[in-house]
Amino acid sequence: GNSVTQMEGPVTLSEEAFLTINCTYTATGYPSLFWYVQYPGEGLQLLLKATKADDKGSNKGFEATYRKETTSFHLEKGSVQVSDSAVYFCALSVGGSNYKLTFGKGTLLTVNP
Amino acid sequence: DAGITQSPRHKVTETGTPVTLRCHQTENHRYMYWYRQDPGHGLRLIHYSYGVKDTDKGEVSDGYSVSRSKTEDFLLTLESATSSQTSVYFCAISDSGLAGDGEQFFGPGTRLTVL
Repeated sequence: GNSVTQMEGPVTLSEEAFLTINCTYTATGYPSLFWYVQYPGEGLQLLLKATKADDKGSNKGFEATYRKETTSFHLEKGSVQVSDSAVYFCALSVGGSNYKLTFGKGTLLTVNP
Repeated sequence: DAGITQSPRHKVTETGTPVTLRCHQTENHRYMYWYRQDPGHGLRLIHYSYGVKDTDKGEVSDGYSVSRSKTEDFLLTLESATSSQTSVYFCAISDSGLAGDGEQFFGPGTRLTVL
């Protein structure tokens, strides 16, 4: 079956620090990969995505590269801000599965000024 | 932002009572999903729909039923609520025709407390 494993939180950083949140996956077929972000009290928003190997998704200074050889999709940002404090979810979708998303458990990021 | 609304946004109910949550979309997307979010579990799929009157179970479907009589509405029913169903419930939609890659758009969530 399909599964996503992401690093356990919480993660606490100071403003302008470098961020990495690890995500690895197991999938049947060729998945699309996603990072979603959930700000306090809100629903999930798509942060970035990649649909094939070696693609790099990027948005708001965040980046993640689809690495088929290591089955990974790690999220990175060079300089975090207080406003980046949120829960981050890695997810995958496999074509032919009615586009069901399989989520990791989420990583809580807190950025202190 | 995708046009997805959920109602109610908050609900407190008692064990054994029936509860219905509504998801409404204005995007004409084919796929609709119900998830629950619990600490330590991330999001787990309850049920989903791939068309009007076409639904299927997700990984945590016991105790829940769904109905979709119109493209825009997807109802989640707890026939007899239990305290273990206290959770935050999210609706999501997806359009395989346009996105084609499984991207889903999420509603704002419903916080349900079962006493």
